[in-house]
Amino acid sequence: AQSVSQHNHHVILSEAASLELGCNYSYGGTVNLFWYVQYPGQHLQLLLKYFSGDPLVKGIKGFEAEFIKSKFSFNLRKPSVQWSDTAEYFCAVKSGRGSTLGRLYFGRGTQLTVWP
Amino acid sequence: DTGVSQDPRHKITKRGQNVTFRCDPISEHNRLYWYRQTLGQGPEFLTYFQNEAQLEKSRLLSDRFSAERPKGSFSTLEIQRTEQGDSAMYLCASSLAGVVNEQFFGPGTRLTVL
Repeated sequence: AQSVSQHNHHVILSEAASLELGCNYSYGGTVNLFWYVQYPGQHLQLLLKYFSGDPLVKGIKGFEAEFIKSKFSFNLRKPSVQWSDTAEYFCAVKSGRGSTLGRLYFGRGTQLTVWP
Repeated sequence: DTGVSQDPRHKITKRGQNVTFRCDPISEHNRLYWYRQTLGQGPEFLTYFQNEAQLEKSRLLSDRFSAERPKGSFSTLEIQRTEQGDSAMYLCASSLAGVVNEQFFGPGTRLTVL
């Protein structure tokens, strides 16, 4: 079974600081990779996704992520965070084989707090 | 609002009671998923449907849990003889079939078992 690790459980930054959230997964085959965000009081929303092609993917609100296959990683970055980025961020992986094509495997999440 | 909806949003029940949750997916989506999320954890997959067929079930889905999607539209998740360990947020998501299609999540149903 796939496992997803998010190394930082809680990150605290000041506005304008740069952000990088780590995500590693275990399965070495074909994978689809996602970052979801959950703002306070809201449901999970997709930030960005990687299926194939350019390993550097850009998402909404200035976020980007880089897929590094050799490191089994899909780290999320933003050059300058805003107070409104305060939220919980989840990395998720879908492995591209057999009957498990549907399910997503999630990391435990990283709570980001941005101070104004 | 044409997103995924779930009902009820909150449910408090006593141990041993049965509960049922409903999920209405985005109308053109043929795949529907159930996840469970406990405090401090990410969502864990429970099961998913393509149209009315239940294609996969997690080992987390004990025999007290059953899910249906009788007409390929809305789905219900029933938990029988609830236990305190069932307390969690139950999330529903939907998508179009196909590898590249993202899952859209609903607001969840928070279950508290006393």
